[in-house]
Amino acid sequence: SQQGEEDPQALSIQEGENATMNCSYKTSINNLQWYRQNSGRGLVHLILIRSNEREKHSGRLRVTLDTSKKSSSLLITASRAADTASYFCATAHFGNEKLTFGTGTRLTIIP
Amino acid sequence: DTGVSQNPRHKITKRGQNVTFRCDPISEHNRLYWYRQTLGQGPEFLTYFQNEAQLEKSRLLSDRFSAERPKGSFSTLEIQRTEQGDSAMYLCASIPFEGEQYFGPGTRLTVT
Repeated sequence: SQQGEEDPQALSIQEGENATMNCSYKTSINNLQWYRQNSGRGLVHLILIRSNEREKHSGRLRVTLDTSKKSSSLLITASRAADTASYFCATAHFGNEKLTFGTGTRLTIIP
Repeated sequence: DTGVSQNPRHKITKRGQNVTFRCDPISEHNRLYWYRQTLGQGPEFLTYFQNEAQLEKSRLLSDRFSAERPKGSFSTLEIQRTEQGDSAMYLCASIPFEGEQYFGPGTRLTVT
């Protein structure tokens, strides 16, 4: 079963704009990870944030984590057409590190 | 390319047939995971191995499913007596012990 939900389910923006996706989860976590998936392809790891971290940056990506609200957000700045994909958050559990994925946000960048 | 390979990439089979998928993880990774993803959904955990030991299985893994990881290297996932509901993308991932998971390209199964 899915751990939580992502919001919005779909997002369309103009190239160059910023895209923000949100993720909520239900249980305690070791870390939270964001992945990108192009249609019909495998998952590409974007960024990992640990439960004791609040914010992390990687290139045009910025991730925040609020463990008190059990939520995370992914910000993609200066979007490009190549950013068009589905984005998933996934929470890793202590011990077994298995990932529980959200339902995903389908991002479309309009050139 | 993450370094994790899966074969075959696509499999079409008739209902009732058995299928086997293979995953070759990154060689120094101790943990290997199998996930299943249906259209429009996020991946769901099926099972995982630490070295050759299968440590956890999801209730999604019915008795028609079996997975192995002999000698802690590659892994196989077998589905017996396939059903149309088994149609999905089967994803494999590996990690050293914890951290980001390295996913293979997946095997897309279609049961007709």
